[in-house]
Amino acid sequence: KAGVTQTPRYLIKTRGQQVTLSCSPISGHRSVSWYQQTPGQGLQFLFEYFSETQRNKGNFPGRFSGRQFSNSRSEMNVSTLELGDSALYLCASSANPTDSYNEQFFGPGTRLTVL
Amino acid sequence: DQQVKQNSPSLSVQEGRISILNCDYTNSMFDYFLWYKKYPAEGPTFLISISSIKDKNEDGRFTVFLNKSAKHLSLHIVPSQPGDSAVYFCAASSSNTGKLIFGQGTTLQVKP
Repeated sequence: KAGVTQTPRYLIKTRGQQVTLSCSPISGHRSVSWYQQTPGQGLQFLFEYFSETQRNKGNFPGRFSGRQFSNSRSEMNVSTLELGDSALYLCASSANPTDSYNEQFFGPGTRLTVL
Repeated sequence: DQQVKQNSPSLSVQEGRISILNCDYTNSMFDYFLWYKKYPAEGPTFLISISSIKDKNEDGRFTVFLNKSAKHLSLHIVPSQPGDSAVYFCAASSSNTGKLIFGQGTTLQVKP
């Protein structure tokens, strides 16, 4: 079974631009979560989608948005990029997000650099 | 508000010795706890978990201990191996949200 895939793996943008990252979950998984990882901050939760609906949301500004398609693939978008948005963006999929034993499977991440 | 905290950014141990990674949490609604390991250029991978109804879970060289009264959990690796060198994240969730909250991570270095 293929794991979680994320594209692109690396991205360089300049301030003010916008970016779209893509995530394909494990086949059969219907939940996709997004995280931002920066040094010293760990994994900061961005949002979670389940069955094309945003189920949970973290404390990020409205410049960060996402969506999920009917095939469970998900995209996240960051508009008006700032230098501080440089980070590793991780996507994770899980089978049943309503289960507290919510083991998530992570993709390799997209390394975004904002210049 | 950091609900899950890993106060040690790094830890260095000798091969063959015990590694102890610590994690504290503040939300008493958390009822499930997980540890993930992350190598550079890879996403985190699940290592071991524990439900709040238990105080210990063991899987090979890895043991997780949960002290609910202290809101503290720890991961013990015995014996430590150089291949264990990675960043370790603890995470917690509550059954009413299912959302995983991660700590900041601890970088473990196991020296040969």
